[in-house]
Amino acid sequence: NAGVTQTPKFRVLKTGQSMTLLCAQDMNHEYMYWYRQDPGMGLRLIHYSVGEGTTAKGEVPDGYNVSRLKKQNFLLGLESAAPSQTSVYFCASSFVGSGTNPFETQYFGPGTRLLVL
Amino acid sequence: RKEVEQDPGPFNVPEGATVAFNCTYSNSASQSFFWYRQDCRKEPKLLMSVYSSGNEDGRFTAQLNRASQYISLLIRDSKLSDSATYLCVVRANQAGTALIFGKGTTLSVSS
Repeated sequence: NAGVTQTPKFRVLKTGQSMTLLCAQDMNHEYMYWYRQDPGMGLRLIHYSVGEGTTAKGEVPDGYNVSRLKKQNFLLGLESAAPSQTSVYFCASSFVGSGTNPFETQYFGPGTRLLVL
Repeated sequence: RKEVEQDPGPFNVPEGATVAFNCTYSNSASQSFFWYRQDCRKEPKLLMSVYSSGNEDGRFTAQLNRASQYISLLIRDSKLSDSATYLCVVRANQAGTALIFGKGTTLSVSS
């Protein structure tokens, strides 16, 4: 049981390049999330998904797109990378979001460190 | 006012000390509260949920004061391995709402 995995672990991009970050979970979780973490800013939600085929915007969605074609995978795309997107990106998943179980745990992947030059 | 505020620290304490972290949240509709722990260059991991009546897990005690919109974490008998950043996390029980993280409080325990 690998939990939440992220690919790649580290990437350097040039401004304007595109890339896709892959998150995979093997816990059969319905909810998945993408966060970014910057020094002095804490974790901020980019996009999230409450189930296969559905996505929603979080706090800082601009410049990113996501897709949830399979329940176990959540992809984060950068269409045209900018230096402001230099960050550590964390994916997380949880069994349920809110309402039925208010004390659900979010499980995080190990993170992807992205440097945009 | 930021949604979740924490004293960033760092808190530098000797082994065996008792240390307390505080956190305030702005959304009075918030229903779920957590403390996560994040080691340097690692992912956050759930330390404990915070219940209305307060709860204890070994050396860790969490308290919630809804009237003051205040959450606390007390660590007794600090260990070197407790050195980490502690994240206060809040969620309002609305469909699809994700977690709101504080910026974290850094703890350094020395021998």
